[in-house]
Amino acid sequence: GAVVSQHPSRVICKSGTSVKIECRSLDFQATTMFWYRQFPKQSLMLMATSNEGSKATYEQGVEKDKFLINHASLTLSTLTVTSAHPEDSSFYICSARDPNKGYNYGYTFGSGTRLTVV
Amino acid sequence: GNSVTQMEGPVTLSEEAFLTINCTYTATGYPSLFWYVQYPGEGLQLLLKATKADDKGSNKGFEATYRKETTSFHLEKGSVQVSDSAVYFCALSSAPGGGADGLTFGKGTHLIIQP
Repeated sequence: GAVVSQHPSRVICKSGTSVKIECRSLDFQATTMFWYRQFPKQSLMLMATSNEGSKATYEQGVEKDKFLINHASLTLSTLTVTSAHPEDSSFYICSARDPNKGYNYGYTFGSGTRLTVV
Repeated sequence: GNSVTQMEGPVTLSEEAFLTINCTYTATGYPSLFWYVQYPGEGLQLLLKATKADDKGSNKGFEATYRKETTSFHLEKGSVQVSDSAVYFCALSSAPGGGADGLTFGKGTHLIIQP
């Protein structure tokens, strides 16, 4: 089945530094990937839609300059949290849909990245 | 806008008990509905789905029926096992065909099954 690999699973960084999170589709080509953020005891909130070869589409309220998304190939999307601050500490998770499956198949999710900014 | 409301946990049950996790939604048009499960340390996995009114999704003994009249998609299982302990997310997609945009999730329900 479709597999999405996300790395790292956990990262601790100092305030003011940048962190890159990778999301790879291992056995299919994903023209579209999605990035979510989850605060403790909250829903997963869609941050942005990452489109291969074009600019990402950000949801309202998400800072484009802070959360840089690059989708340079059909199997890799990256999320870079720039100049991280403690309030950026959260659980980030990516997902992708295998275009060879029907629209209603659902999405494959990565295992998520726990970011802690100290 | 779209929203999903599901019962908050944790929900603690004994093995072989009957499970219901309530989920209601607000959406425009005719959304597709999903239940995802997240086991400890793993990513979200699709558990079941339904794409139109009165559809019943089922998998691994779980089932949920798309009720348009009550805008609900409650998850049920007749006899839970310890291995069912996980976080369950109700979600919807309102894109045409059900998959062309990101999902709207509920907050998740932590289910704990005791032996």
